[in-house]
Amino acid sequence: DAKTTQPNSMESNEEEPVHLPCNHSTISGTDYIHWYRQLPSQGPEYVIHGLTSNVNNRMASLAIAEDRKSSTLILHRATLRDAAVYYCILRETGNQFYFGTGTSLTVIP
Amino acid sequence: KAGVTQTPRYLIKTRGQQVTLSCSPISGHRSVSWYQQTPGQGLQFLFEYFSETQRNKGNFPGRFSGRQFSNSRSEMNVSTLELGDSALYLCASSLVGGGKNTEAFFGQGTRLTVV
Repeated sequence: DAKTTQPNSMESNEEEPVHLPCNHSTISGTDYIHWYRQLPSQGPEYVIHGLTSNVNNRMASLAIAEDRKSSTLILHRATLRDAAVYYCILRETGNQFYFGTGTSLTVIP
Repeated sequence: KAGVTQTPRYLIKTRGQQVTLSCSPISGHRSVSWYQQTPGQGLQFLFEYFSETQRNKGNFPGRFSGRQFSNSRSEMNVSTLELGDSALYLCASSLVGGGKNTEAFFGQGTRLTVV
């Protein structure tokens, strides 16, 4: 069962940073926070994940609150290709993901 | 390196029939999981296989089943199709046991339409 809460939709102007929030107040000490995104007519695509410390990769940054009850996915410069549904997921065990409704990101040219 | 391959990409079946979908994971990945995506229910976990054994199962009726072969390829089967089974079926593969600290790679899915 999904244990994360995200806004249904967000908008951003092209070339500007985007901060996508996620609440996960029931997170356990060993749950990893994963972010995936799904472009139209495609399967979900891995974006980033972390446990406690902030993480950076070529796609995005993940900022994790000190109490781990929330996190924020940061896209540093939104492009039109970043328009997608972004899912924040707590990965518990195995290769199973419980997806919530995600945040639909619209990028305005 | 080839990604996760799902076949067929599109399928139309009649109510009451059965269907088999195939998923070839990334080479070296031994964990395969399946998901159903519908507009009303979103993405829902169906089941997960690792080393030919089902490790976890979601809340779906017994009409949904799967298996994994020794080469890690996986199939899922839906028997006695219902209109509500129309959905995008996605599979994902992970390296080794698919621990929490590993990413999963999804295929493009099979779009099943039941008429």
